[in-house]
Amino acid sequence: QVQLVQSGTEVKKPGASVKVSCKASGYSFTGYGVTWVRQAPGQGLEWMGWISTLNGDTHYAQKLQGRVTMTTDTSTSTAYMELRSLRSDDTAVYYCSKGDWTIDSWGQGTLVTVSS
Amino acid sequence: QSALTQPASVSGSPGQSITISCTGTSSDVGSYNLVSWFQQHPGKAPKLMIYEGSKRPSGVSNRFSGSKSANTASLTISGLQAEDEADYYCCSYAGSSTLVFGGGTKLTVL
Repeated sequence: QVQLVQSGTEVKKPGASVKVSCKASGYSFTGYGVTWVRQAPGQGLEWMGWISTLNGDTHYAQKLQGRVTMTTDTSTSTAYMELRSLRSDDTAVYYCSKGDWTIDSWGQGTLVTVSS
Repeated sequence: QSALTQPASVSGSPGQSITISCTGTSSDVGSYNLVSWFQQHPGKAPKLMIYEGSKRPSGVSNRFSGSKSANTASLTISGLQAEDEADYYCCSYAGSSTLVFGGGTKLTVL
């Protein structure tokens, strides 16, 4: 069965960077893109961007342009999302998910807390 | 792009039907048949309930159905059950390789 297993909870100071990993199994990793979505405490879902696992093409949300980088390692079926220059309003649960315009499976989420 | 518009909350009694609306624009919901609906229980990851407007993934109850008219998509849940109580989010392709989510709707089963 499809599984997306994400790295653990992170606590960062403002201005720092965080890199979240997402290891996929149970399907052909290069057959589907990976989408990243985040959810601030008590808030809704926010699309962060998407990466093609076939050729590495990326599309990021405009508000995160310049601070976010999504990458993949096809040899280990793992996707990564790095967010730089962290601010307090980046505190959220970060999800990786399988698919591009239709997301059909989600990771368990990674809580990233930004606090001084 | 702006978030899709959903009612903040809806409620219904067990056995009843409810409908959650998701209003976008001619640049997203109105232009593409790529609306998805997700169910999210507290502390859990979202779960896909409807994709491409009206298709149900394997394993999702046929009590869940989706539709679209112009710039508004809708999710209908019939025969409400206690376990349906959750947050529901719509999501649409918005062109230029982007997705947009709705603000979410809290469903309360009375």
